[in-house]
Amino acid sequence: KAGVTQTPRYLIKTRGQQVTLSCSPISGHRSVSWYQQTPGQGLQFLFEYFSETQRNKGNFPGRFSGRQFSNSRSEMNVSTLELGDSALYLCASSPDRGHSPLHFGNGTRLTVT
Amino acid sequence: DQQVKQNSPSLSVQEGRISILNCDYTNSMFDYFLWYKKYPAEGPTFLISISSIKDKNEDGRFTVFLNKSAKHLSLHIVPSQPGDSAVYFCAAPATGANNLFFGTGTRLTVIP
Repeated sequence: KAGVTQTPRYLIKTRGQQVTLSCSPISGHRSVSWYQQTPGQGLQFLFEYFSETQRNKGNFPGRFSGRQFSNSRSEMNVSTLELGDSALYLCASSPDRGHSPLHFGNGTRLTVT
Repeated sequence: DQQVKQNSPSLSVQEGRISILNCDYTNSMFDYFLWYKKYPAEGPTFLISISSIKDKNEDGRFTVFLNKSAKHLSLHIVPSQPGDSAVYFCAAPATGANNLFFGTGTRLTVIP
């Protein structure tokens, strides 16, 4: 089985711009979650989508949004980028059956200048 | 508030010896715990998990121990190998949800 695929791997954007990141989950996985990793805050949960609906949301401002398509692929969008948004953004998928571990992609490294 | 804590940012051990990575948690509602390993420029890779109904789970060289009364878990790697050098995260999901609370990670260096 192919793993979780995230595109692009690297992005450089300017303050004030917006960005869209993409994630393709493992085939058959219906739950997709997004995490932000920064040196200062560690790995923090952004949101989770299941069957095209946002099921959980972390403590991030409304500039961070996401969506999930009928094929379980997901995108996250960050509008009005700030320097502090520079981070590794990780997507994870899960079959969502009981205690099943999340499987992570290799992330998108976003740099905001 | 950090619900999952890893108080040792780094650990160095000799090849062949035991590595012990520690993790503490504050939320007594957590009923499932996971360990992930992360190499630079890669996403976290699932290593091993444990349910709160157990106090030990073993998978090859990796064993996780859970002490619920102390709200403490540890990951033992025996014997340690240079390829084990990575950052290790412990994590726990919010009850009934998939969102994980992660510790801050411990960087393990195994010296050949």
